[in-house]
Amino acid sequence: AQKVTQAQTEISVVEKEDVTLDCVYETRDTTYYLFWYKQPPSGELVFLIRRNSFDEQNEISGRYSWNFQKSTSSFNFTITASQVVDSAVYFCALKKGNEKLTFGTGTRLTIIP
Amino acid sequence: EAGVAQSPRYKIIEKRQSVAFWCNPISGHATLYWYQQILGQGPKLLIQFQNNGVVDDSQLPKDRFSAERLKGVDSTLKIQPAKLEDSAVYLCASSLAGTVFNEQFFGPGTRLTVL
Repeated sequence: AQKVTQAQTEISVVEKEDVTLDCVYETRDTTYYLFWYKQPPSGELVFLIRRNSFDEQNEISGRYSWNFQKSTSSFNFTITASQVVDSAVYFCALKKGNEKLTFGTGTRLTIIP
Repeated sequence: EAGVAQSPRYKIIEKRQSVAFWCNPISGHATLYWYQQILGQGPKLLIQFQNNGVVDDSQLPKDRFSAERLKGVDSTLKIQPAKLEDSAVYLCASSLAGTVFNEQFFGPGTRLTVL
């Protein structure tokens, strides 16, 4: 069975601080995909990144960066120099092949101006 | 390009009543998904359509939930009769195809409250 754990339920940081959102996953498969989605107050989920299990290279996109470590089954997400617009609920998700997405319970991030 | 449209945005009903939600996916997207998101949880897939055929409905409570996608475009999700535990946000998503390489685009959701 697949499982995604986001232990941080809520995080609050002051604007311009860096913040890391943790994601730990469980799967017995060797081929799988990991995702991060952002859910702003408007409600729709916005795709941020997809990473396959064979690509452990860290990725940076502007102020966002992702650290994938298979040894610890983690796929953490860091926002550098946070902004108020980053306030949202962030979901980590796991998918094997063409099966359904398994989401974590989400981390609510609040950026304090 | 227009995004995924859903209506209504909010619905309040009493238990044992019926309710229906509508979704219009992005034009040209063959795959359509309905998710249920209970407060404090991640979305859970209820049903996945490929054109107008069902690919996965393993987590759909079929005794009270039904969904259809006539003509492979718009879709409706119905609950009859509703229970208190059905209170949730119902998200519709679409993608070009159902593979992992095709990004899912989500609508704003319908927030259902069952009293």
